[in-house]
Amino acid sequence: GAGVSQSPSNKVTEKGKDVELRCDPISGHTALYWYRQSLGQGLEFLIYFQGNSAPDKSGLPSDRFSAERTGGSVSTLTIQRTQQEDSAVYLCASSPRNGNTIYFGEGSWLTVV
Amino acid sequence: QQQVKQSPQSLIVQKGGISIINCAYENTAFDYFPWYQQFPGKGPALLIAIRPDVSEKKEGRFTISFNKSAKQFSLHIMDSQPGDSATYFCAASEGFQKLVFGTGTRLLVSP
Repeated sequence: GAGVSQSPSNKVTEKGKDVELRCDPISGHTALYWYRQSLGQGLEFLIYFQGNSAPDKSGLPSDRFSAERTGGSVSTLTIQRTQQEDSAVYLCASSPRNGNTIYFGEGSWLTVV
Repeated sequence: QQQVKQSPQSLIVQKGGISIINCAYENTAFDYFPWYQQFPGKGPALLIAIRPDVSEKKEGRFTISFNKSAKQFSLHIMDSQPGDSATYFCAASEGFQKLVFGTGTRLLVSP
C-alpha cells in the first residue's frame, strides 16, 4: 500500500491476555517507530528501529512490552499480560533512511477490559 | 527527560484569528523542526518543517518562526478556520535520528 498500514485497527482484550499489534511500513523505509497515545494525551515514544542497527528500546514502559522487526520491514509490538493502563492508541510510523519526515499509520486502538 | 516543551496545552481561537503555538528545545544539536497535525481518529501528519539556517518558513496560512539563540520555535496559523481544529505537535531531531515530540496543543477554532 501507499501508506503505513496497521492491524488490527481495533482490539478489545481481557486483562492478563497477550496482544500483538502489526505494522507494515511504507516500502523502502528503513526507520520504523512505535508510539503510544493515551486518550487526549501526547505521543509517548516506545521503540525505534533504523535499518540493521540495534533498536532504541528506551521508551518501552515495562518488560511486558517488546517489539521486533523481521527482514527490515514488518514490525510486531507485543504486550504481555495486558493491564487496563495499557489501553491506548498504538501508532506506528516509518521514514526513509535519509529523511526526517515520518509517516504515521492510523493506529491500533487497544482496549483492555 | 523532556527535550521539547510545548505550550499552550489547549487553545481556542475565533474564526479569522491567529493561532500561535510555541515550543522550546534543549538539545543544541537538533537541526530539524517539524510540526504535525492530528485529526481525531487519525495518525499525525506532517504540516510544515524548518531547519535552523532560516528564521521563518511560510506555507499558505501556516508559518514557522525559529529563534536559534533562544532555542524556540513557533507555529502561526493565520486566518484560522474551523477546519484547522486539531491537535498540533512540534518535534525536533538531530540529523536523521529519531524525532522527539512535544506534548501537543489542542486547537479549537470557533465559527
